[in-house]
Amino acid sequence: GIQVEQSPPDLILQEGANSTLRCNFSDSVNNLQWFHQNPWGQLINLFYIPSGTKQNGRLSATTVATERYSLLYISSSQTTDSGVYFCAVERMDSSYKLIFGSGTRLLVRP
Amino acid sequence: GAGVSQTPSNKVTEKGKYVELRCDPISGHTALYWYRQSLGQGPEFLIYFQGTGAADDSGLPNDRFFAVRPEGSVSTLKIQRTERGDSAVYLCASSPTAGGLFFGPGTRLTVL
Repeated sequence: GIQVEQSPPDLILQEGANSTLRCNFSDSVNNLQWFHQNPWGQLINLFYIPSGTKQNGRLSATTVATERYSLLYISSSQTTDSGVYFCAVERMDSSYKLIFGSGTRLLVRP
Repeated sequence: GAGVSQTPSNKVTEKGKYVELRCDPISGHTALYWYRQSLGQGPEFLIYFQGTGAADDSGLPNDRFFAVRPEGSVSTLKIQRTERGDSAVYLCASSPTAGGLFFGPGTRLTVL
């Protein structure tokens, strides 16, 4: 089946720093989503991004589908950005079924 | 309106017992999904409903697991003869026609 790999697995930042999270996937996909899971476990939909670039405040994402990767940029990080960031892809043959990566665990220190 | 809601938020049960987990999707979302998340892992797909029918239940681990959505809105995930390995967070999500999945807060199931 399709493999979704995220890097780095863990990341510690000082408040105000910028970071880039990466998601590689092993096969063509219909779509890709980025989620933030906060320390209380809630999964929050950040971006629905099959290709191109989207921005939402301090966050932006870029997916290059032909090269099978996506990047999530966090600028001017805040302590509330802490949590786990998941990338999830929709397979071409079952577009409703998300395959998740193992996540990047981010800690932003004040 | 409100997001996806799930009840209970926490459930502790004994090995061998039966449990039901409830999901209320976002109003107007026709698609509903159940996922399961173990500690330190990403969520794993269990079952997908489009309307009232289970369009894909290939992620259910065995026949102790069953889910229904009788009126095309609320869904119940049912687990019979629970085992310690069933302990996890069970996540429900709903989706509009297009635009990605929106997850509920989850039910944390602990089987003692």
